[in-house]
Amino acid sequence: NAGVTQTPKFRILKIGQSMTLQCTQDMNHNYMYWYRQDPGMGLKLIYYSVGAGITDKGEVPNGYNVSRSTTEDFPLRLELAAPSQTSVYFCASSESGSGETQYFGPGTRLLVL
Amino acid sequence: KQEVTQIPAALSVPEGENLVLNCSFTDSAIYNLQWFRQDPGKGLTSLLLIQSSQREQTSGRLNASLDKSSGRSTLYIAASQPGDSATYLCALVTQGGSEKLVFGKGTKLTVNP
Repeated sequence: NAGVTQTPKFRILKIGQSMTLQCTQDMNHNYMYWYRQDPGMGLKLIYYSVGAGITDKGEVPNGYNVSRSTTEDFPLRLELAAPSQTSVYFCASSESGSGETQYFGPGTRLLVL
Repeated sequence: KQEVTQIPAALSVPEGENLVLNCSFTDSAIYNLQWFRQDPGKGLTSLLLIQSSQREQTSGRLNASLDKSSGRSTLYIAASQPGDSATYLCALVTQGGSEKLVFGKGTKLTVNP
């Protein structure tokens, strides 16, 4: 199993551009999550999904959108990129909810200039 | 609102030393608490997960304890090695907090040969 994979690894965006961060997991997990990590800070939850077709907001959802059309994929969309969205983005998955370990991808480093 | 604090922010020790990393939280109504390891430029790896009904978990040289009443968890690393150098993150799920992992900012550990 590859686990959780994310693409791209690194991206530079200009202000106002848009992009999609890809996340795929091959563990047949129901739950998937998107976090962002700013320098010297812990991770903050952006969006999460408890199954295909179901998504919900986390702590910092503004400026982002998600979709979950399949169990495997959970893309994160940035519309109108802003410098405040410069961060490292992590995708994670777990078999079920609160009681389960989350498995993380390697992250996408995004720089908005 | 749940807040997670990790002290110290950074720690440097000689190889072979036993050490303790601390995590404190403000709301004792939690589902579980996890300790993660993060290597530079990499994703997070789950080390230990303690359910709210448990007091401790052990894996090899690692031992994590949980005291909900005092809002504290510790990660004990025995006989530290240079390969243990990483940032260690504490995260927990609060009861009634949906599926949200709340993270501390982490402790950066350096083990010197």
